[in-house]
Amino acid sequence: KAGVTQTPRYLIKTRGQQVTLSCSPISGHRSVSWYQQTPGQGLQFLFEYFSETQRNKGNFPGRFSGRQFSNSRSEMNVSTLELGDSALYLCASSLGPGLAGAEQYFGPGTRLTVT
Amino acid sequence: AQTVTQSQPEMSVQEAETVTLSCTYDTSESDYYLFWYKQPPSRQMILVIRQEAYKQQNATENRFSVNFQKAAKSFSLKISDSQLGDAAMYFCAYRTITSGTYKYIFGTGTRLKVLA
Repeated sequence: KAGVTQTPRYLIKTRGQQVTLSCSPISGHRSVSWYQQTPGQGLQFLFEYFSETQRNKGNFPGRFSGRQFSNSRSEMNVSTLELGDSALYLCASSLGPGLAGAEQYFGPGTRLTVT
Repeated sequence: AQTVTQSQPEMSVQEAETVTLSCTYDTSESDYYLFWYKQPPSRQMILVIRQEAYKQQNATENRFSVNFQKAAKSFSLKISDSQLGDAAMYFCAYRTITSGTYKYIFGTGTRLKVLA
């Protein structure tokens, strides 16, 4: 079974631009979560989607948004990029919320650099 | 709000020796999951071991085992017979299972170096 895939793997953008990151979960997984990882802040939860609905949201500004499609694939969008948005963005999939979905499987991440 | 604390930013262990990574957490919930994840230099996060809070028995996975002390809110990871491939960042994570709020909370990580 294929793992979680994220595209692109690397991205360089300039301040003020917007970016869209994509995540394809493991087949059969319906829940997708997004995390921002930086050396200073560690792993910060962005949001979680299940059945095309946002179930949870972390403490990030409205510039960070996401969505999930009917095939469970998810996209994350960041508008008006700032230098501080430079980070590794990780996507994780699980079967779903609740006991059955407790384990998350992570993708390789997208390294975003904002200049 | 729940918090997860890993007080050891970095640890070193000799190959074939045993090392214990510490993790403490704070919660008012009685039921939850705890995990240890490993992130090697290639950056792909890998699940190492998980523990359900309602289980008193400590989880084990081959050379990896945990010491789960629910009352003390402590969840340490023991790696036996350390191997060079164990070198990585290790993250402790808490997952609430309260209906509607299934968020993961991660600690800041412990970098493990394995010395040949």
